[in-house]
Amino acid sequence: DAKTTQPPSMDCAEGRAANLPCNHSTISGNEYVYWYRQIHSQGPQYIIHGLKNNETNEMASLIITEDRKSSTLILPHATLRDTAVYYCIVRPAPGSGAGSYQLTFGKGTKLSVIP
Amino acid sequence: SQTIHQWPATLVQPVGSPLSLECTVEGTSNPNLYWYRQAAGRGLQLLFYSVGIGQISSEVPQNLSASRPQDRQFILSSKKLLLSDSGFYLCAWAADREQYFGPGTRLTVT
Repeated sequence: DAKTTQPPSMDCAEGRAANLPCNHSTISGNEYVYWYRQIHSQGPQYIIHGLKNNETNEMASLIITEDRKSSTLILPHATLRDTAVYYCIVRPAPGSGAGSYQLTFGKGTKLSVIP
Repeated sequence: SQTIHQWPATLVQPVGSPLSLECTVEGTSNPNLYWYRQAAGRGLQLLFYSVGIGQISSEVPQNLSASRPQDRQFILSSKKLLLSDSGFYLCAWAADREQYFGPGTRLTVT
C-alpha cells in the first residue's frame, strides 16, 4: 500500500500556480519524498525529491513541513502541458538495500490545467 | 545520455497465449531494472525488479515471470495470458536517486 494520501483531482487555471498537497504522516527519518507525473499513455516522469529541506528545480518546487508529515508540490506557472496525474511517493534512501529503489505508486492527483 | 526502449508499443493477445515483452537500456551499465503494470484507472504496481544479471525479485505472485539474460536487457514473460493481465506495462531503470521509465507497452488480452 502507498504511504501517501493525495486528493484524487484538482483544477488549475493556465498561468497560475498549481499547489498539489500530499500527506505522509508515517514517514520515517530516512525516507525521501518523491514526485512523479504521468501524462496520459506515457511512462511516469521524475519531477523532484527531497528529504527535509525545500527543493526547487526547473520544473517545480517542493515544500516539506517541518515535521515532514506533509508536503506540497508547486508548479509556479501551470501550462496545458502540465495536465497529468501527479504521484507523491515515499521511499527509503537509495543504497540502503536491494529494494531501496522501489517506488510504490498510489492513485495520485489528476491535475487538469484549464485555459 | 541514457535511453530506455520497450517493444512492442501495443499488443493484442488472446487468452491463453504466451507473452514476451522486452526492455533494453542504453548508456549505463549494471542498472537496477524494474517491471511495473498499470491496470486501467489504477496506479502503478511493481511486478519485478533486478539488481543484476540473473537476479530477479518478484513483488506480486502471478502467472508472469521476468528474466535478465544480459546486463541491460529485461524481459517479461507469460506462458498463458489471463484477461486480468491486460494493462500498461512499464520498464524502468534506476540511477542514484531517480528512476526513469520507458514508453510502455499497452497489452490487451481478449
